[in-house]
Parts: sequence; structure tokens; C-alpha cells
Amino acid sequence: RKEVEQDPGPFNVPEGATVAFNCTYSNSASQSFFWYRQDCRKEPKLLMSVYSSGNEDGRFTAQLNRASQYISLLIRDSKLSDSATYLCVVGDFGTDKLIFGTGTRLQVFP
Amino acid sequence: DAGVIQSPRHEVTEMGQEVTLRCKPISGHNSLFWYRQTMMRGLELLIYFNNNVPIDDSGMPEDRFSAKMPNASFSTLKIQPSEPRDSAVYFCASSPGLNSNQPQHFGDGTRLSIL
Repeated sequence: RKEVEQDPGPFNVPEGATVAFNCTYSNSASQSFFWYRQDCRKEPKLLMSVYSSGNEDGRFTAQLNRASQYISLLIRDSKLSDSATYLCVVGDFGTDKLIFGTGTRLQVFP
Repeated sequence: DAGVIQSPRHEVTEMGQEVTLRCKPISGHNSLFWYRQTMMRGLELLIYFNNNVPIDDSGMPEDRFSAKMPNASFSTLKIQPSEPRDSAVYFCASSPGLNSNQPQHFGDGTRLSIL
């Protein structure tokens, strides 16, 4: 079983749509969780951290369910510029390592 | 603020040649990471350093790969001899460290092609 699993997609949605990505992780001791965004031929960039109580940053909402070892990212009112690959990332407990999922590709069309 | 700086941005070379990739982490960051990304395998951690000391090199594919961090502001990843299957994008990232799983900041990457 992979340490971090994501649906690879692609998710093809029209502008203005709401889309949700899910991710599961295997290590119940993990304490840190993030979503990164990677544009084509670019480096991964931090989109947002994920906190236990859930958190929101504009159109983006992240949630964590520790009991189910599940993380989600919700994007409301999708923009063309949201088209990218979204990487679910989990901290490796007790180290500085981050475990990256393989990413979910989002394509927003006009 | 200067981010993580990698060089070269692109490298094309023939198999058998030595390849050296360079990275300057964000000033004040104590942990440095080397990753490789391919379509087939995604983003793989090769090695990471904390306070210039290699902590985990279990991701280094084989003896042809080596990495050094002689000081807090510079690291190299070397492949000798290079093979076509080493073609990938190599990213360097840094974080404040301290085993706190803080977010990592990535450089622009080096796109390596081995012919």
C-alpha cells in the first residue's frame, strides 16, 4: 500500500464549478499535512497547510479526518488558472521528510 | 527574498558523462532535500541533509549517485557515470528543519536529459 494515495484524475470541470480531491495516508502517527500545487513543467509550490479543525483560504478549503486517515481539498468557483496537479503531502513522523502523493490533475475549461 | 536556487536549469549530455547538479538553499534553512521526478514514478526523495549532515540516503538509486553538502549554503548531486534512465527533473528543496515537518520550498529544478 502506498503511504499517500490520491486519485490521479484528470478531473475536467467547467469554470465556476466546485471540485473536491481526496487523499488517504497510511501512517496514523503523521502530524503534518499539506496540499501543494504543481503547474506543468514547474516546481511544486505550497498551496496550504491542513489543520485538524479544517481551514479555508479564499476559494480553497482543506479538511483532515484523523480517524479515517483522510485529507480533502475543496475548490469553489473554479478558475481557468486553477488547472494544475494537486499533490497531497504528509509529514513523516519524527523526521523532516515529507511524503508526496502522485498528484491529482485538474483541468478547468471555459 | 531569494528562494532555493538550482543550476543548471537544463542539462543535456551523453551517457557515461559525469553530471553535477547544484543547489543553494534558502538562507537559515537547516534541512535540504534532493528529489527526482518522472512521469512513471512521480516525485521521489533521493537524500536529505540536516545541518549539512546526510540523514537519509535510502532513496539514492545506486552507487552512481552521490550527494554532498560542504556548507550550509551549497549542495551538489552528482551522477557518474550517467545513463539514459537517469533522465528526469531533479528538484532541490529546503525547510527550516528541526524535525517539525515544516513545508518545503522547492527550486525551479534541473531538467536532465541523458542521450
